[in-house]
Amino acid sequence: GAGVSQSPRYKVAKRGQDVALRCDPISGHVSLFWYQQALGQGPEFLTYFQNEAQLDKSGLPSDRFFAERPEGSVSTLKIQRTQQEDSAVYLCASRNVGASSYNEQFFGPGTRLTVL
Amino acid sequence: GNSVTQMEGPVTLSEEAFLTINCTYTATGYPSLFWYVQYPGEGLQLLLKATKADDKGSNKGFEATYRKETTSFHLEKGSVQVSDSAVYFCALWETSGSRLTFGEGTQLTVNP
Repeated sequence: GAGVSQSPRYKVAKRGQDVALRCDPISGHVSLFWYQQALGQGPEFLTYFQNEAQLDKSGLPSDRFFAERPEGSVSTLKIQRTQQEDSAVYLCASRNVGASSYNEQFFGPGTRLTVL
Repeated sequence: GNSVTQMEGPVTLSEEAFLTINCTYTATGYPSLFWYVQYPGEGLQLLLKATKADDKGSNKGFEATYRKETTSFHLEKGSVQVSDSAVYFCALWETSGSRLTFGEGTQLTVNP
């Protein structure tokens, strides 16, 4: 079946612009995660949804970052008033919480955001 | 808090060489451990996993053993191929948490 998809794949924004990044998880997956991956670094957790509920947003770096998943499927990560330090690859992952015990997360290809 | 430390890279090997990428972790509980691989232009893919001490994860000729006494999960492969060139990430998941914690990644280049 189809994997996790993200759009756009690449986004260039001028400093101060707002951006919205979309994630389509694997159909039926209950859990959805957002990670931020700076150049040359490992991904860092941003936020976690179980269905439509945002259960953990402790990784969001500032109040300019906002994520939603209103119907428990597609999720949007919004960044307001973008800054150069927001430049990174934003990864989305989903997980079927009813699957095996090892909690595998399936990752999308990411959105590369460049803030000029 | 939880953390994962990987050996510094990049690593460059000749085809058929032996590979080891070191990974150590710090966790307050009993985590599950993973190796993810990121090929150029692609998303992260799970390579192998281990959920408890002394488990050995294996896939595509890669192996890693969960060593609780040394808090390590080193990745090994006996004979690397050019197609193994990628970035490798060690990660942990603690059952009480809601996130994967990743190491900084190790770039592997295999030359023919």
